[in-house]
Parts: sequence; structure tokens; C-alpha cells
Amino acid sequence: DTGVSQNPRHKITKRGQNVTFRCDPISEHNRLYWYRQTLGQGPEFLTYFQNEAQLEKSRLLSDRFSAERPKGSFSTLEIQRTEQGDSAMYLCASSLGGLSLYGYTFGSGTRLTVV
Amino acid sequence: KNEVEQSPQNLTAQEGEFITINCSYSVGISALHWLQQHPGGGIVSLFMLSSGKKKHGRLIATINIQEKHSSLHITASHPRDSAVYICAVRRGSQGNLIFGKGTKLSVKP
Repeated sequence: DTGVSQNPRHKITKRGQNVTFRCDPISEHNRLYWYRQTLGQGPEFLTYFQNEAQLEKSRLLSDRFSAERPKGSFSTLEIQRTEQGDSAMYLCASSLGGLSLYGYTFGSGTRLTVV
Repeated sequence: KNEVEQSPQNLTAQEGEFITINCSYSVGISALHWLQQHPGGGIVSLFMLSSGKKKHGRLIATINIQEKHSSLHITASHPRDSAVYICAVRRGSQGNLIFGKGTKLSVKP
């Protein structure tokens, strides 16, 4: 297992287009998190899954955003009708459970640029 | 006011200096993480703390739960330590992290 994998690494899209990102977590991790990070800021929580169930969504996740984890393994984050304000680094992380004794593993992120 | 505050925002040091980065938080937590982010975005987990002190190589992390404060220390700093260091807290069993804005460290040779 090579850790948390995110694809693509970079995505440039025109405003109004739809984009989809993929995250493959560490295989035995049951929790998967999506975060968004804009320049000069710390990451902000978007949503998380425990297995295939989406347990929490941030208010940052507008109705143009949707995330899925259909089989409790990989996850996709789709942004519809992209806007320039969506330009950010989208980070995925996974952990085994939500208890504080379990650490996090982050992916390298997908950098989205909306032009 | 952010729930997690870091200081300083930017830090420039000479190689070999002892470095301290501070993190204060205003919410109840189950754990605190120190993370390192290099240009290009990848985040590496350095420490996860719920009490006391942890050491790994030249890095030391401490936490004072009563004062809601944590520090990350780097001894004998090196240019390869240059990165953004981020403090993040986990609340209860929710699992998701609340991040500080990060401290950008630059170590000059």
C-alpha cells in the first residue's frame, strides 16, 4: 500500500465545466475525509465518510459539490458548474476510525484552477 | 477569532537555530496534530498528541491541555526543514480536523 492516492494532481478547467476528483485511501482505513485549501490558508473541512456512509458535510459544501464513496473504498468529489472561487487544493485523508488514537494519512492533493 | 491560532505566521531562521512554533486553540479536543506541508501540497503527519510530550529525531512536540496550548520545537534546524507547519485539532469522535493557518518556516544556510 503506497498511502493515500489522489488523481489528478492538477486540473485546469473553464468556468462552468464539471470536474471530478478521485481519492484512493489506505485500504484498511474506514474513514475518508475531504478538505479544501486556498492559498495562504490552512485546510478547511468539506465532508467525511465512514465506510460508504457520508456522515458529515460542511456548510462549505454547496449544492454544486457532491461526494461519494460507493463501496466504502475510493471516493470521488464532483464540482458542477465550476466557479473561479473553487480554485484551490483539494486534499483527501484517511484514518482507521475516528478515535483520537488513530492518526491521519493525507494524499498529495488535487490542485484545481478554474479559468 | 479562529478556533486554532498559530504563531508566528512566518519565521526565518539561520541553520542550527532552535525553533519554536506555537499553537493555541479554543475548543475542547481529543487530539492535536502537527503537520508539515511542502510546496506542491503534500501533507505529512509529524505528531499526534493528547497529552504531554513526544520526540522524533530533532522534532519535539508538547501540549498543555489545561492551557489549550501546544508547541513544536525543532532543534539544530536545517534548510531541509523549510516548509509550512500546521497545527490541527480533532474534536471528540467526529474525526475531522480543524486547522490553523500554518507557520511558514524558512531556514537559511
